[in-house]
Amino acid sequence: GAVVSQHPSWVICKSGTSVKIECRSLDFQATTMFWYRQFPKQSLMLMATSNEGSKATYEQGVEKDKFLINHASLTLSTLTVTSAHPEDSSFYICSPNVAGGSYNEQFFGPGTRLTVL
Amino acid sequence: GENVEQHPSTLSVQEGDSAVIKCTYSDSASNYFPWYKQELGKRPQLIIDIRSNVGEKKDQRIAVTLNKTAKHFSLHITETQPEDSAVYFCAATYQAGTALIFGKGTTLSVSS
Repeated sequence: GAVVSQHPSWVICKSGTSVKIECRSLDFQATTMFWYRQFPKQSLMLMATSNEGSKATYEQGVEKDKFLINHASLTLSTLTVTSAHPEDSSFYICSPNVAGGSYNEQFFGPGTRLTVL
Repeated sequence: GENVEQHPSTLSVQEGDSAVIKCTYSDSASNYFPWYKQELGKRPQLIIDIRSNVGEKKDQRIAVTLNKTAKHFSLHITETQPEDSAVYFCAATYQAGTALIFGKGTTLSVSS
């Protein structure tokens, strides 16, 4: 299967600071990146979809000015949580979609555990 | 958009028993239905999937069935083992390149 890395794996920050999460597809090119977040004991909720070189599309209820997504290359996408608050504490997971793929299987990064104090 | 319902939310079985988790979906255009197992603090792991042109798929102790007419699909685990204890998610999507929509998850506990 495809290899996806995410960095950092966990981060603790103070309220009001910004945190950047990197997602890399190591052995394939991803034209599309999905970002999910998962609160404790809940399901994965789609936050946004980004296509390489264009603006991300955000799901209803997700603030685009708070969760900045950059998908500048086919192997790297970043999610920046700006002015983080305790309610942003969650498990953030990226999911790149294989470029030119004709199948649906999605691969997931290992996730980033964000804790905002 | 797609909506996926999953039941039950928790399931406790004795080792060796079978476990069944059921999901329904709303978008008749959906054509890909994966099942994921997630252990605490880790990413979801694909355990089995099925496409809309197939009614059933089996992989050792795990099987998935799909009823397109009723828009529901189910995960069957036979001869459960303690290591099967985890949270299981069903999901659906309708074409390559679109995001998976997940059910709310089922916490499976297998006691020995």
